[in-house]
Amino acid sequence: NAGVMQNPRHLVRRRGQEARLRCSPMKGHSHVYWYRQLPEEGLKFMVYLQKENIIDESGMPKERFSAEFPKEGPSILRIQQVVRGDSAAYFCASSRSQGARYEQYFGPGTRLTVT
Amino acid sequence: KNEVEQSPQNLTAQEGEFITINCSYSVGISALHWLQQHPGGGIVSLFMLSSGKKKHGRLIATINIQEKHSSLHITASHPRDSAVYICAVSWTSGSRLTFGEGTQLTVNP
Repeated sequence: NAGVMQNPRHLVRRRGQEARLRCSPMKGHSHVYWYRQLPEEGLKFMVYLQKENIIDESGMPKERFSAEFPKEGPSILRIQQVVRGDSAAYFCASSRSQGARYEQYFGPGTRLTVT
Repeated sequence: KNEVEQSPQNLTAQEGEFITINCSYSVGISALHWLQQHPGGGIVSLFMLSSGKKKHGRLIATINIQEKHSSLHITASHPRDSAVYICAVSWTSGSRLTFGEGTQLTVNP
């Protein structure tokens, strides 16, 4: 049973380009969370999605960032017109269902570098 | 002030020592998680607990709900335990995790 998969593992973008980060949850998991870890900082919540629904996006920057989790395929975190401050590690986690008692399993992360 | 506070921020130990990392949080929670992050960055979930105590190998996690405090203990520490240990909580209102700043542990041989 494969764990949470993220790709790419490393992504380099020039300022102004778009970044697309993918997350495939564990088999049987329909809930996905995205977290960001800025350099020398702790992890911060960004967005929580269920298949075809955004449940909580209170941690997402208001502009340039969007997320989706379609019925088929991976969850996508999209960053438009990237800036240097977007350079960070982006982790996704998946869980079987909603609620604090369901454990979240983390992917290996995507390290985004904006040059 | 962060809602989840960890101490110490950095910890250096000699191989074999008993290690304790502390975590305090501000209001009621549904669950508390201890995570491990190695250099190169992958995150592994060590424990999820809402009461009492859990043990896995040389790792022990405890939580005191009344005092809003949890501890992670490592017995007979080893250099391979060197990593960042992160405390995270799920608040009663939802499933998202709120993280502490992490404790950088270095165990020297």
